[in-house]
Amino acid sequence: GENVEQHPSTLSVQEGDSAVIKCTYSDSASNYFPWYKQELGKGPQLIIDIRSNVGEKKDQRIAVTLNKTAKHFSLHITETQPEDSAVYFCAASKPTDSWGKLQFGAGTQVVVTP
Amino acid sequence: NAGVTQTPKFQVLKTGQSMTLQCAQDMNHEYMSWYRQDPGMGLRLIHYSVGAGITDQGEVPNGYNVSRSTTEDFPLRLLSAAPSQTSVYFCASSGGERRAFFGQGTRLTVV
Repeated sequence: GENVEQHPSTLSVQEGDSAVIKCTYSDSASNYFPWYKQELGKGPQLIIDIRSNVGEKKDQRIAVTLNKTAKHFSLHITETQPEDSAVYFCAASKPTDSWGKLQFGAGTQVVVTP
Repeated sequence: NAGVTQTPKFQVLKTGQSMTLQCAQDMNHEYMSWYRQDPGMGLRLIHYSVGAGITDQGEVPNGYNVSRSTTEDFPLRLLSAAPSQTSVYFCASSGGERRAFFGQGTRLTVV
């Protein structure tokens, strides 16, 4: 089955700097890649997603890039703010999977220090 | 719009007890799923449903049971709780674009 690896497991950045989280997936059939943000004591919240027919997607300070050949995708957060501190999860899904059946990475704890 | 609602938020069980974790969504999504979250392991799929009356197993189904009698509700039953089932449980629902929306979670401790 699909295997998603996520790095790094922890990331500490200064406020205003950029943060990058990388994920690799094993199944070349995967074609949907969402990113979730989880704040302490809350459920994961979808922040951005990308499908395999595009290479990059941006939403304000957040962007995701996808390299299908290398089977990896990355989350980029620019101009980080303290409220960006959270655990971030990447995930992958195949078209043959039922809707929303996601394989998650292990998560990245992001700490933004003022 | 409440989205996905899970109850209870916290629960302590004794080994061998049974209980049901409730999940309800008001987005008219066909797809619902249950995940468990353990430290360092991300979220792992327990069971999922593609519509009322249809359920299937995910990655870690043992010890759990589900049913889907309505589009809105997808309860998760622990048949005989074990300490290995201590975890945080999340319910999610998805529409046709595969975007999954999660509830706030149930933190379960089995002693």
